Amino acid sequence: DTAVSQTPKYLVTQMGNDKSIKCEQNLGHDTMYWYKQDSKKFLKIMFSYNNKELIINETVPNRFSPKSPDKAHLNLHINSLELGDSAVYFCASSQAVMVRTSEETQYFGPGTRLLVL
Amino acid sequence: AQSVTQLDSHVSVSEGTPVLLRCNYSSSYSPSLFWYVQHPNKGLQLLLKYTSAATLVKGINGFEAEFKKSETSFHLTKPSAHMSDAAEYFCVVRGYNYGQNFVFGPGTRLSVLP
Repeated sequence: DTAVSQTPKYLVTQMGNDKSIKCEQNLGHDTMYWYKQDSKKFLKIMFSYNNKELIINETVPNRFSPKSPDKAHLNLHINSLELGDSAVYFCASSQAVMVRTSEETQYFGPGTRLLVL
Repeated sequence: AQSVTQLDSHVSVSEGTPVLLRCNYSSSYSPSLFWYVQHPNKGLQLLLKYTSAATLVKGINGFEAEFKKSETSFHLTKPSAHMSDAAEYFCVVRGYNYGQNFVFGPGTRLSVLP
């Protein structure tokens, strides 16, 4: 009964390939996020969607494209994978983005460990 | 703009002794502040959060943190460390404009020695 789930858990692929990571949340939240965690454990936000609308798009190469078919899903597609894309990618969700509420807590998925060879 | 500084990249304590993980923040707006924990090869779990209510916040597993506006700090403490507390801890700040990010600190690795 996982709240935020990601697939796959591990992804090993060659440089130049295209891959996707899927994320689903069953919490009824309006907002979903993608984060990248590098080898030094530093977490940086990549994208945020609120009700299927892109609201945060940090400086991320345009090889990365998020897709939100509905507010429970936010998938991450990566084209032409590079060695530097190797990292752990976390999906998260939260209820509120526009106002300060007690429900703004982010809930994280277990992460997808991507290794580009 | 917002930022978070975690003053120690690594803290090592003995089991049964107090834990102090330091966090200072910068925010243009009255912030919300969070502490998350990440155990090895796991996702992130919320420990506690401050959202403008009581300045002393109690979280899970015996952790607590105090919001001090004058010092722009939100340090995490626990009276007695347990071996299972060994993990990476992240301080997070969020301000209040539409689309504001959650900004993560660089993390502090806590080691607990027997």
